[in-house]
This record gives sequence, structure tokens and C-alpha cells, in this order.
Amino acid sequence: AQTVTQSQPEMSVQEAETVTLSCTYDTSESDYYLFWYKQPPSRQMILVIRQEAYKQQNATENRFSVNFQKAAKSFSLKISDSQLGDAAMYFCAYRSKNTGNQFYFGTGTSLTVIP
Amino acid sequence: KAGVTQTPRYLIKTRGQQVTLSCSPISGHRSVSWYQQTPGQGLQFLFEYFSETQRNKGNFPGRFSGRQFSNSRSEMNVSTLELGDSALYLCASSLASGGPETQYFGPGTRLLVL
Repeated sequence: AQTVTQSQPEMSVQEAETVTLSCTYDTSESDYYLFWYKQPPSRQMILVIRQEAYKQQNATENRFSVNFQKAAKSFSLKISDSQLGDAAMYFCAYRSKNTGNQFYFGTGTSLTVIP
Repeated sequence: KAGVTQTPRYLIKTRGQQVTLSCSPISGHRSVSWYQQTPGQGLQFLFEYFSETQRNKGNFPGRFSGRQFSNSRSEMNVSTLELGDSALYLCASSLASGGPETQYFGPGTRLLVL
């Protein structure tokens, strides 16, 4: 089974600064999807950014970008110009192309934004 | 469009009871997946339903079951509740199964088993 590892249980960043959250995964598949989801306190999970493994170009969504290193099985999330509203639990997730919509989630990184 | 809704939002049950949770997907979405979220185990996949058929099942005991109706609404049932079933249960919906479409999560049902 696929496994997703987030080695940073907690991270903090000063407002307006940049922070990078790490994620590694293990798979024998060559084509798959990777995601970062954000779960604010007591609020529902929302998609931050998505990457398809066959695309070499790193995905970007406004202040959020990823560094996708397929050979290293690494998928880190960079948040630029951090805002107070970015404070949340961030989950990295893997989804195979062969098993429907089943996500494999990492354990999450709790991000604190310091004013 | 309305988002994914889950009812009830909070639930307290005692050991041995059973519980049914409901998930209404975004209009037009045919896939509904269920996850259990606990502090110790994180987010774990329970099962996925697509067009009323169970497509995938996670590694949970048979006490956990689900179904999907023709309007894509889904229910999850847990029988003979145990203390360890206390968790946030999330459902997620998407247009299709297995494609690049985004999955949208509901707010969850928080279940406490006493």
C-alpha cells in the first residue's frame, strides 16, 4: 500500500514570510495524483493544490506552489507571503489512478502564523 | 452550488449502540467517499461509493458499512459501537471516480462513544 509521510508535525512562520512543508511518499506506480489539503480549526478540509505525476511542471496556485521531485518521491508545499488565514493543519495526500477516489493521507503538519 | 453536507454534525452514543451518518454530495457528483479522522490514526479511508456501487473499501471491520442512493446521497452505518470509534467522520464527493476531478469534503460528523 502507498504511504505518505509528513515529518514536520508542527511548523511556524512569521506573517509575510515564506514557509515550506515537507511530504514524501512511497509508491511503485508511475502515474498518480498528489494533493495538499488544508483543514483550518473546526472548519472543513479544502484543496490547496494538486499535481499530476506525469506533469513535470510544478503546480502553482497564487501564493501556493509545490516542488515535485518524482524520482525522490517528494512533494513539498511552499507558502509565500504567509497570512494569518493560512494557519491550519495541512495534509499531503496521494491518490492512485487505479483505485478510484481513495486518498492516502499523511499525518499532517500544523502551521502557526505569527503576527 | 451548495457544498457537501453531513448530518448530524455531532452525535453521542454509548458502547454497543449503532449509528447512521448521512452525507449529501454536491449536486451532480456521483462519487462519495468516507474517512475516519482520529488524533492517533489520522485520516483513514473507509469506503467509496460510485453510482450506488461500492468501488473501494478500506481496512475496517465489517461493523462499518455504507450505501448510496440513486440521488447520490450516502449513509454510513456503524454497528456495535466501541470506544475507539469516537472520531470525526468526513465524507467527500466528486463528479467521477478515479479521474483528476477535485474531491470536496464536508464539515464532518463528530461521534463520541461513551
